[in-house]
Amino acid sequence: SQQGEEDPQALSIQEGENATMNCSYKTSINNLQWYRQNSGRGLVHLILIRSNEREKHSGRLRVTLDTSKKSSSLLITASRAADTASYFCATGPPRSGAGSYQLTFGKGTKLSVIP
Amino acid sequence: NAGVTQTPKFRVLKTGQSMTLLCAQDMNHEYMYWYRQDPGMGLRLIHYSVGEGTTAKGEVPDGYNVSRLKKQNFLLGLESAAPSQTSVYFCASSPAGQGAYEQYFGPGTRLTVT
Repeated sequence: SQQGEEDPQALSIQEGENATMNCSYKTSINNLQWYRQNSGRGLVHLILIRSNEREKHSGRLRVTLDTSKKSSSLLITASRAADTASYFCATGPPRSGAGSYQLTFGKGTKLSVIP
Repeated sequence: NAGVTQTPKFRVLKTGQSMTLLCAQDMNHEYMYWYRQDPGMGLRLIHYSVGEGTTAKGEVPDGYNVSRLKKQNFLLGLESAAPSQTSVYFCASSPAGQGAYEQYFGPGTRLTVT
């Protein structure tokens, strides 16, 4: 069963605007990761945030994690047409759990950046 | 480095036929995974392996078998294909350990079962 649920399912913005995607999950996690998938391609890792971290940055990406609300957000600033893709959050279970190296993926947010 | 490669890229099968999907990685990763991706469903884990000679079931293992005879290769087999197995299949790999590691994905295999 899916652990993470992204919101919104689809998002359309103008180039230069910021894009925010949210992910909610149900059980305790060790880490949360965001991946990008361009149409017809495999997933590419963007950023990983551990359960004891609250915010992380990587270039134009900013990820926040609120473990009390079991939610995360991915912000892409100054979006470009090349950012058009689907974005997935994936959660890793607590270290002590069986299969703690497995990730559970959400259904994704489809982002369209209009030039 | 090629990263993670998958063969074939596309395949059409008839119901009842069998096939094997090959995944290869050149990053010396211990862990390898097979996922399927269906429209609106995200990725679901089929089987995974934590090392050469070991495999385990994921979320949706029925109808599939796997083998990891060599560390760099992870094979996914369909013994008797069914239309419900029409999907895009992704292989991934990651380093070993109990820590948090990113997964590296292959480009996918698009399988249609008629």
